[in-house]
Formats: sequence, structure tokens, C-alpha cells
Amino acid sequence: NAGVMQNPRHLVRRRGQEARLRCSPMKGHSHVYWYRQLPEEGLKFMVYLQKENIIDESGMPKERFSAEFPKEGPSILRIQQVVRGDSAAYFCASSRGVGDTEAFFGQGTRLTVV
Amino acid sequence: DQQVKQNSPSLSVQEGRISILNCDYTNSMFDYFLWYKKYPAEGPTFLISISSIKDKNEDGRFTVFLNKSAKHLSLHIVPSQPGDSAVYFCAASAPGETSGSRLTFGEGTQLTVNP
Repeated sequence: NAGVMQNPRHLVRRRGQEARLRCSPMKGHSHVYWYRQLPEEGLKFMVYLQKENIIDESGMPKERFSAEFPKEGPSILRIQQVVRGDSAAYFCASSRGVGDTEAFFGQGTRLTVV
Repeated sequence: DQQVKQNSPSLSVQEGRISILNCDYTNSMFDYFLWYKKYPAEGPTFLISISSIKDKNEDGRFTVFLNKSAKHLSLHIVPSQPGDSAVYFCAASAPGETSGSRLTFGEGTQLTVNP
């Protein structure tokens, strides 16, 4: 029973490039959450998705960031025109659904912008 | 606006003694609280949780206490072991269809258990 799978584990991008982070939830989980952890800080909520729907994107920066969770395939967090301040660890979590109080986390993607 | 706060960035204890990690929150809508443990370069791992209708939950060496009136919770680890050395995050969730299992995290406390 695979857990939450994130890839790549490490991603290096030059300023101005695009970064695509992937997340496959646990089997049977239809809810996905993305969090960002900046150096020396806690995890900050970014976006909550269900299949083909964005439920809550209140934590997403207004520009350059987007997320999707298509009917088939993994959830994707896309960062366009990356800047140095985007360097962080990005974690994905999944849960079964509303009323499920526990979310399981992936190992994260460490994005470094050079 | 930091709704969940862990005021101690680090804690050091001797092996075999008790570790007490503290967490305060401000949002009275939070009704479920969790502790996660995180090793470097890994994702957070669920440790223990407590519903707001309880004041204590115990699981082996780990006990979480909740004081709703003070908006305070704590994690006790007894006895502490060197393998417990990690960053511990307090997290909280509020009910609602648009929140799901969305969590608000504290800043984390680095626990070091010395042999």
C-alpha cells in the first residue's frame, strides 16, 4: 500500500523557468492538499483540491502559481517564472474525504531556484 | 496572523526523562488537533491527535493534553528516546466542507534527546 508519492524529490530551476511538482495520493484518497515550508518556518497551506475541482486556494500566491488534480493522473503544482523566493520544500498530503481528520504526507519536493 | 504557535524552537532532554512540547492556538473554531513528527528531508509523519471534546489522549509513550479554555495543548513523551529526536509540529483543523483535512501548523519544535 504505497503512501503519498511526490516527484521529483529535488528540483533545480533557473530564475524564470517553470517548475512542475507532482503528487499521487494514497490509494482510495480523493482529496489532495499542497503545503509549502520555507526555511526555518512551519508548513503553510496553499491549496485543497478534489478530483477536477479546486476547493480552497486561499493560501496560493495570486500570481505564477496554479494547481490541478485531473480526473486521471497525479495532482500538479505549477510555478511559472520561478524566483529565488520560491525555493522551499513543497509537501503534498491526501485524505479520504470530508470528515476524514487525518491527512498523510508525501516526502516532499525540494525546489531550489538558482 | 499565526493561529497556531509553538513558542519553543528547540528542546533538549536526557534519554529516559519526560519531553513536554507546548502549543497555543488562537482560533476558537479549531476542533481537532494533531502532532506530527518530521525528520530532515522527509515529510511529516502523524503521531497522535485529539478531538476538542476530549482533554487527553494517550498512545504508548505519547500523551496529548488539551486545555480548551486556555487554548493550549501539549505533547508528553515518556520515556524519551534518542530516536525521538526530530522536529515536532502542532497542527489544528476546523470543520467545514471547504476545509476538509486542511491543517494550520505551528512553527515546529526541534527535540533533541541526548543519550
